[in-house]
Amino acid sequence: GQQLNQSPQSMFIQEGEDVSMNCTSSSIFNTWLWYKQDPGEGPVLLIALYKAGELTSNGRLTAQFGITRKDSFLNISASIPSDVGIYFCAGRDNYGQNFVFGPGTRLSVLP
Amino acid sequence: DAGVIQSPRHEVTEMGQEVTLRCKPISGHDYLFWYRQTMMRGLELLIYFNNNVPIDDSGMPEDRFSAKMPNASFSTLKIQPSEPRDSAVYFCASSSLRTAQETQYFGPGTRLLVL
Repeated sequence: GQQLNQSPQSMFIQEGEDVSMNCTSSSIFNTWLWYKQDPGEGPVLLIALYKAGELTSNGRLTAQFGITRKDSFLNISASIPSDVGIYFCAGRDNYGQNFVFGPGTRLSVLP
Repeated sequence: DAGVIQSPRHEVTEMGQEVTLRCKPISGHDYLFWYRQTMMRGLELLIYFNNNVPIDDSGMPEDRFSAKMPNASFSTLKIQPSEPRDSAVYFCASSSLRTAQETQYFGPGTRLLVL
């Protein structure tokens, strides 16, 4: 079945640094979603992408739909302590009716 | 606009007891999903409904799990009898395909502990 890989699995950065993470798929997707999950809460949608090559921003967050349609990238600029959490990617192809989720990237921001 | 609502937020029960989790999707959404999240297995899709009809329940772990959606604004996930390995966070999510751009919104989750 479809699988998503996220890289890195975890990362520790200093406050103020930029962050990059990615998500790769074994198959082509037509929709990518990025979520953030805070401890004890449900995943919250950050950015949605619907076209190959699309670049979308949400404040300090920018996500891109890879040209190959098998990957997506999320960047966070000038990280702050509240960026701490787990970031999940999710993808859907033309045939599926539900989303496949990656294992998440755990972000820690050091003051 | 209220998001996805789940209840209870926390549930502690003893092995063998019946557990019922509840979900109210976002009004107007025609898809509803139940997920389970554990440290070991991450987010797993258990079952999803479209227009109140179960479409894919292949993720339901075993017969002890059942889910219903009697109407567009309510769904339940039941575990009977519960076992310690069922301890996890259970999320409900809803979405709509009525626009070309689909997204999926999660509830806050129910944290289940089976002793």
